Amino acid sequence: ETGVTQTPRHLVMGMTNKKSLKCEQHLGHNAMYWYKQSAKKPLELMFVYNFKEQTENNSVPSRFSPECPNSSHLFLHLHTLQPEDSALYLCASSQDRQTNTEAFFGQGTRLTVV
Amino acid sequence: SQQGEEDPQALSIQEGENATMNCSYKTSINNLQWYRQNSGRGLVHLILIRSNEREKHSGRLRVTLDTSKKSSSLLITASRAADTASYFCATVSGSSGSARQLTFGSGTQLTVLP
Repeated sequence: ETGVTQTPRHLVMGMTNKKSLKCEQHLGHNAMYWYKQSAKKPLELMFVYNFKEQTENNSVPSRFSPECPNSSHLFLHLHTLQPEDSALYLCASSQDRQTNTEAFFGQGTRLTVV
Repeated sequence: SQQGEEDPQALSIQEGENATMNCSYKTSINNLQWYRQNSGRGLVHLILIRSNEREKHSGRLRVTLDTSKKSSSLLITASRAADTASYFCATVSGSSGSARQLTFGSGTQLTVLP
């Protein structure tokens, strides 16, 4: 257990569905992240939140919409996804006020878009 | 954009042997980190080495860093079947050394045969 919990672990959705991924951390960290991991590709950083404020959006399509209501919770709202969006979505957190810190990852949500 | 490149992409060894994985990167870094990922799960932080360090040990892990060659290596000694996983290097650039600036490579898939 890393202290970062993601739900659901698996999700199958149609292209017209709307769903949300949830991430929760109990580590007292102030920064949270969404990563996408596709087969045979490096991890792609999607969004960064620092003290609930979005600080980075790495050219992610608008069909992915993040929400960070507080520094412990992070959501990724999904709508009208494409089959190529099927991937493992990983949430991570870190203590951003310190240097030389590592990221703590959740177990991921395996998303399949049909 | 991808910063670290791991080499080899895949490595298969017998239990008890040592495993060496290499990582090369392109720009100057604040620190370099190694992570492990079991199939379909989240990443787990293994070790962090600062840019002013040359070698670091943690249990059966030994990490080296050569900033002049922009490369790092991860050595796992006396490997076990349970070490089978993907191993990623990740670099942090920028003066803050913040984990939100982590950039991952594509990983090395290590298989340890019993």
